[in-house]
Amino acid sequence: DTGVSQNPRHKITKRGQNVTFRCDPISEHNRLYWYRQTLGQGPEFLTYFQNEAQLEKSRLLSDRFSAERPKGSFSTLEIQRTEQGDSAMYLCASSLVTGGNTEAFFGQGTRLTVV
Amino acid sequence: DQQVKQNSPSLSVQEGRISILNCDYTNSMFDYFLWYKKYPAEGPTFLISISSIKDKNEDGRFTVFLNKSAKHLSLHIVPSQPGDSAVYFCAASVINDMRFGAGTRLTVKP
Repeated sequence: DTGVSQNPRHKITKRGQNVTFRCDPISEHNRLYWYRQTLGQGPEFLTYFQNEAQLEKSRLLSDRFSAERPKGSFSTLEIQRTEQGDSAMYLCASSLVTGGNTEAFFGQGTRLTVV
Repeated sequence: DQQVKQNSPSLSVQEGRISILNCDYTNSMFDYFLWYKKYPAEGPTFLISISSIKDKNEDGRFTVFLNKSAKHLSLHIVPSQPGDSAVYFCAASVINDMRFGAGTRLTVKP
């Protein structure tokens, strides 16, 4: 399977705990995005990387959230001191940006439930 | 800041008829527009796109129309099939920075 892979698919955690999600993009893709989706809403932009550089972060990304893409390949999204409002589907997408616009391909997401 | 809006949360059509999904955007800098389809428990799947230099792009049963002056785009599916039942997201992009609408749930009845 050469698509975008996200792990875990589901995560249930207690409020206050830290969680980390992983995204493996399509291998040759240089851009990687993180989105969050809550019920009845479209994906909300969180952050994106061009290779290993984090180029933009949304205001939605509070200090409790941190994302990395250390070698320009896989990425991790960590949420510290989780809150119930963090419960959502976290989506990762990747694309190959070579100058023009192009579509991004999404993984199946990680569903986080904070209890 | 909701820069991309899909004002119809749901749409129901009969099999074989045309489905028209609409999307409005506010940022005139957007230069690339996409439609994604999403089934439950799956990530969004790319469907069709259009560059701002065009006003129409067609791929089989799917056609996207862009009206830049109105900042409006639409997705036409004809003929609609039950397997098209899903949530459809409109997205707009500038320099590959994508923003999504809230989605429209399409139900195609047999």
